[in-house]
Amino acid sequence: DQQVKQNSPSLSVQEGRISILNCDYTNSMFDYFLWYKKYPAEGPTFLISISSIKDKNEDGRFTVFLNKSAKHLSLHIVPSQPGDSAVYFCAAPGGTSYGKLTFGQGTILTVHP
Amino acid sequence: NAGVMQNPRHLVRRRGQEARLRCSPMKGHSHVYWYRQLPEEGLKFMVYLQKENIIDESGMPKERFSAEFPKEGPSILRIQQVVRGDSAAYFCASSSAESSYNEQFFGPGTRLTVL
Repeated sequence: DQQVKQNSPSLSVQEGRISILNCDYTNSMFDYFLWYKKYPAEGPTFLISISSIKDKNEDGRFTVFLNKSAKHLSLHIVPSQPGDSAVYFCAAPGGTSYGKLTFGQGTILTVHP
Repeated sequence: NAGVMQNPRHLVRRRGQEARLRCSPMKGHSHVYWYRQLPEEGLKFMVYLQKENIIDESGMPKERFSAEFPKEGPSILRIQQVVRGDSAAYFCASSSAESSYNEQFFGPGTRLTVL
């Protein structure tokens, strides 16, 4: 039962353009969402988060949007840079404990110079 | 300010041997989490520990796997009698008790290969 889903395994964009990564969830009890970025052979790095009481959170080039009615969130990166090339995971705490993060499968972002 | 430390970074074991993975949380963090990433998959929660207590082990396989976070020293994930299917990257994360929304900070992972 995949409660957090990232349906696009990969995304390729040109440097300077916008990258949009999508995430859907099924558990309506989730009230907080996090995005992590992961480079090969490294652990995930926290990027940005959003509480369910908001519909948008912005941090520099990164903005996360939350649509609770659609159970959908998206991460926008503007402008995209080659150094943004990585795997991006969305995650939500909750379930058996708030310490449990449920991750999506990840989206591989490639930004071409 | 050191981040989450994991060792070893790479571990090779033969089927039937034991694997011990260590995790030292960030300074000041008292909550530790273990996740496993199988090839081509996302991270899967295994266990959540505080000092000397297991809070949530809902993701732990019922047999061969155990975890501890003693009062002193690192957290240990122990896999007994390893099988080829245990080959994966194992990530440890930590968070502080004051984190309202449980932002977890991850270590670099231990890549376990079972021959």
